[in-house]
Amino acid sequence: NAGVTQTPKFQVLKTGQSMTLQCAQDMNHEYMSWYRQDPGMGLRLIHYSVGAGITDQGEVPNGYNVSRSTTEDFPLRLLSAAPSQTSVYFCASSRTSIDEQFFGPGTRLTVL
Amino acid sequence: TQLLEQSPQFLSIQEGENLTVYCNSSSVFSSLQWYRQEPGEGPVLLVTVVTGGEVKKLKRLTFQFGDARKDSSLHITAAQPGDTGLYLCAGPTSGTYKYIFGTGTRLKVLA
Repeated sequence: NAGVTQTPKFQVLKTGQSMTLQCAQDMNHEYMSWYRQDPGMGLRLIHYSVGAGITDQGEVPNGYNVSRSTTEDFPLRLLSAAPSQTSVYFCASSRTSIDEQFFGPGTRLTVL
Repeated sequence: TQLLEQSPQFLSIQEGENLTVYCNSSSVFSSLQWYRQEPGEGPVLLVTVVTGGEVKKLKRLTFQFGDARKDSSLHITAAQPGDTGLYLCAGPTSGTYKYIFGTGTRLKVLA
């Protein structure tokens, strides 16, 4: 099993550009989530999904969109990148919302 | 809004010293989990505590869940350089499906 995979690993954007961060898991987990982590800080929840077709906002959803058309995939879209979105983004999956979270390797995003 | 506050934020100690990291909330959590994160990687689960007052040990690490399930602590005995990392508490919020993380404690153990 590959676990949770994320692409790309690094990305540089200009202010106003849009892009999609990809996340996939092969563990048949129902729960998937996106977090951002700023330097030296904990993780803040952006969006989460409890199953295919169901998504909801986390603590810091502004500027981001998600969709969950399949159990495996949970892409995160930045609509119009801003320097405040410079961060490391982690995708995670788990069996349910109360179980151990398994993380991808992260995407380091810089917005100029 | 349920929050998980961790203290201290930073901790630098000598090898062999003991330390305690705290995770506090004003809200009740049905369970709490502790993760450790190393640079460039995602967090990895250390332990899950579920019952109020529960104590779990993982080698030199001791985890405790408060009686009221609003707080937790992580105690490390005789810290080693390999314990260096970011320690995060986390848990599912009540009434929602959100799973949130604490503010983190960055530990550095000097040889």
